Amino acid sequence: NAGVMQNPRHLVRRRGQEARLRCSPMKGHSHVYWYRQLPEEGLKFMVYLQKENIIDESGMPKERFSAEFPKEGPSILRIQQVVRGDSAAYFCASSPQSRENTGELFFGEGSRLTVL
Amino acid sequence: GQNIDQPTEMTATEGAIVQINCTYQTSGFNGLFWYQQHAGEAPTFLSYNVLDGLEEKGRFSSFLSRSKGYSYLLLKELQMKDSASYLCAVLDSNYQLIWGAGTKLIIKP
Repeated sequence: NAGVMQNPRHLVRRRGQEARLRCSPMKGHSHVYWYRQLPEEGLKFMVYLQKENIIDESGMPKERFSAEFPKEGPSILRIQQVVRGDSAAYFCASSPQSRENTGELFFGEGSRLTVL
Repeated sequence: GQNIDQPTEMTATEGAIVQINCTYQTSGFNGLFWYQQHAGEAPTFLSYNVLDGLEEKGRFSSFLSRSKGYSYLLLKELQMKDSASYLCAVLDSNYQLIWGAGTKLIIKP
């Protein structure tokens, strides 16, 4: 049973380009979370999605960032017109139940974005 | 604002015991999690406390005092593989996980 799969593991972009990060949750999990982690800092919540629905995007910057979790295929975090400050590790986590059921999250190994 | 505080770094000796503290101020409380994260890897779940008291799971135990806004993770019989960052996270009233910056634990032989 494969765990949460994220790709690419490492991504380098120049300022102004687009970054697309993909996350395939564990089999049977329909709840996906995206977090951002800067060096020496804690994980920062970005967005919580269920299949075809954005449940909570209160942690997403208002511009340039978007996320989706289609009926088929992985969840995608999209960053348009990247800037140097977007350089970070982006972690995806999945769960078989809604967050109100307070279960553990299963994390992917992260995608490390470097903006030149 | 919401705040999770834990020490930045701790050092301990192989075979010893170490206690990692976490204090929190959050808008509401629906439980506290501890995760382990090895460098460059995914965080992995260690424990969940929602009621006061001690939860023991093998070499690892986690304690919670809701009235004090305080938790600790206790690691016994330390092994070199326990060298990692330990992340404290609180589920707030909106069921959002608020994360501490993590405690980097260094184990020396």
